[in-house]
Amino acid sequence: EIVMTQSPATLSVSPGERVTLSCRASQSVSSRLAWYQQKPGQAPRLLMYGASTRATGIPATFSGSGSGAEFTLTISSLQSEDFAVYYCQQYDNWPLTFGQGTRVEIK
Amino acid sequence: QITLQESGPTLVQPTETLTLTCTFSGFSLRTSAVGVGWVRQPPGEALEWLGLIYWDDDKRYSPSLKSRLTITRDTSRNQVVLTMTNMDPVDTATYYCAHRPSGDYLRVFDYWGQGTLVTVSS
Repeated sequence: EIVMTQSPATLSVSPGERVTLSCRASQSVSSRLAWYQQKPGQAPRLLMYGASTRATGIPATFSGSGSGAEFTLTISSLQSEDFAVYYCQQYDNWPLTFGQGTRVEIK
Repeated sequence: QITLQESGPTLVQPTETLTLTCTFSGFSLRTSAVGVGWVRQPPGEALEWLGLIYWDDDKRYSPSLKSRLTITRDTSRNQVVLTMTNMDPVDTATYYCAHRPSGDYLRVFDYWGQGTLVTVSS
């Protein structure tokens, strides 16, 4: 099973700041990496797949990069609605696995 | 517009079997490469993938839960059913069903149900 490790666990950020979240896989997953956003009491929302392709309706303030085992999700200018928990998920191998999440909170 | 809705019991006794139904609209499980997956989330914890059923009835399960899980589909009713046996308090979680879009190797979930909280307790 591929283990996904996200860092940091929590990020305290001011609105308008640039944010970079990291996700590391225990082995290469090529570019088969997705990012989700989850707000309290809501289902996850797909942000990114293929490491860098934005899902439908996702603004360009979100960008993804990386391949192999190291990935990043960048939010260029954090808006109030972006405070949430972010999860990465690899889909290169079965079983599908998620990271433990990074919480982005207001500083 | 794709929508999914989970339904089933909110409280289950230890050792009992959980049956959850995902009723969906806006897509067909007869469409090539489409799938419906199940993901759960214990309170305050991370997401855990449980399983996935494809348009052709191919199924994949989490190895750690495979012996307890069964996923079936009813294409005429647009439903997918998750069955989990021998429930334990550690299985207390919000259970989500989600749409897997068509596309080679695209094992992601682009539409999700609202989730249903299942508590396992006597």
